[in-house]
Amino acid sequence: GENVEQHPSTLSVQEGDSAVIKCTYSDSASNYFPWYKQELGKGPQLIIDIRSNVGEKKDQRIAVTLNKTAKHFSLHITETQPEDSAVYFCAAKGQGAQKLVFGQGTRLTINP
Amino acid sequence: EAGVAQSPRYKIIEKRQSVAFWCNPISGHATLYWYQQILGQGPKLLIQFQNNGVVDDSQLPKDRFSAERLKGVDSTLKIQPAKLEDSAVYLCATQGAVVTGELFFGEGSRLTVL
Repeated sequence: GENVEQHPSTLSVQEGDSAVIKCTYSDSASNYFPWYKQELGKGPQLIIDIRSNVGEKKDQRIAVTLNKTAKHFSLHITETQPEDSAVYFCAAKGQGAQKLVFGQGTRLTINP
Repeated sequence: EAGVAQSPRYKIIEKRQSVAFWCNPISGHATLYWYQQILGQGPKLLIQFQNNGVVDDSQLPKDRFSAERLKGVDSTLKIQPAKLEDSAVYLCATQGAVVTGELFFGEGSRLTVL
């Protein structure tokens, strides 16, 4: 089955700097790669996703890149703000009813 | 639009006791998932329902965990008897009939087994 590895487990950056979180996946048939943000005491919330037919997707300060050959994808947050502090999870899913498999999470702290 | 509702938010029980969690999905969402999130880890799928039928329960410890989704709407997840390692947050998530990929999560039910 699919296996998703995520790193780093913790990341601390200065406000205004950029943050990058990386994930690798094992199943070359996976074709959907979402990123979820989880704030304390809440459930994960989708912030951006990418499908295997594109290499990059942007939404304001957030971007995701996908390298299918290397089987890795990354989340990029620019101009970080205090409200970006949270735990971020990557995930991967195959076609059809394949389940969504999550990475272990990255705790991002934005220092003022 | 109301989100996914879960209850109780917190539950503390002793090992070998039983517990039940309830989930009310977003109206019209046909697919419902229960995830287990152990502290410091990503959510792990326990069971997936499509309407009131089970799609995937391969990672559900069926000797102690059970789940049902009556009439394809609300769902309950039960643990009996509980073990110490069941301490976790149990997340319910739903997905609309038109599969966009996005899961909508509830706030979770935090279980502590003593």
